[in-house]
Amino acid sequence: EAGVAQSPRYKIIEKRQSVAFWCNPISGHATLYWYQQILGQGPKLLIQFQNNGVVDDSQLPKDRFSAERLKGVDSTLKIQPAKLEDSAVYLCASTTSRLAGGDGDTDTQYFGPGTRLTVL
Amino acid sequence: GEDVEQSLFLSVREGDSSVINCTYTDSSSTYLYWYKQEPGAGLQLLTYIFSNMDMKQDQRLTVLLNKKDKHLSLRIADTQTGDSAIYFCALRSSSNYQLIWGAGTKLIIKP
Repeated sequence: EAGVAQSPRYKIIEKRQSVAFWCNPISGHATLYWYQQILGQGPKLLIQFQNNGVVDDSQLPKDRFSAERLKGVDSTLKIQPAKLEDSAVYLCASTTSRLAGGDGDTDTQYFGPGTRLTVL
Repeated sequence: GEDVEQSLFLSVREGDSSVINCTYTDSSSTYLYWYKQEPGAGLQLLTYIFSNMDMKQDQRLTVLLNKKDKHLSLRIADTQTGDSAIYFCALRSSSNYQLIWGAGTKLIIKP
């Protein structure tokens, strides 16, 4: 079974530029997450999708970040314009769970390799 | 609010056992996870434990859960150089089922 795919793996941009990240979850996984991981910290949830609908985007800085999952499969996360403090690893994860509060197996989140963003 | 605490570093000798600790505040968490992150890589699920269990063993890994003290630990037997990584404790929130993450413990292996 193929894992979660993400691209690009690395991106270097200057502040005020825009950038987009792509994620392809494990086939059949209904729930998709985007996380931001700053060096030395645990992941911070940015947005959660269930199929193509948004479940939670309360921690997404909506003035500059946007995300979509139009067909309920692939997802893109965009930053426009980028700030220095956006330098981080952006992780995508997916689970099979279609209902909140499933068991440990269906709720287990599987992660992609991440995209390391450096904003200069 | 819900919180998860971990020590930032642990240094052990190759061949010894490593014990990585985690304390948490949400006593209603039903699933508690350990993830491993190697340099430049994503997060790899190691194991998880359901809250009605005290212990779970999987080859070299042993997870211990003390619900009374809200303490979770991961023991790695016969620690090898390939175990060098950052280990994250994560709990499933009882309120919204999202994961609450610790800051990670960096495991350093001494030869």
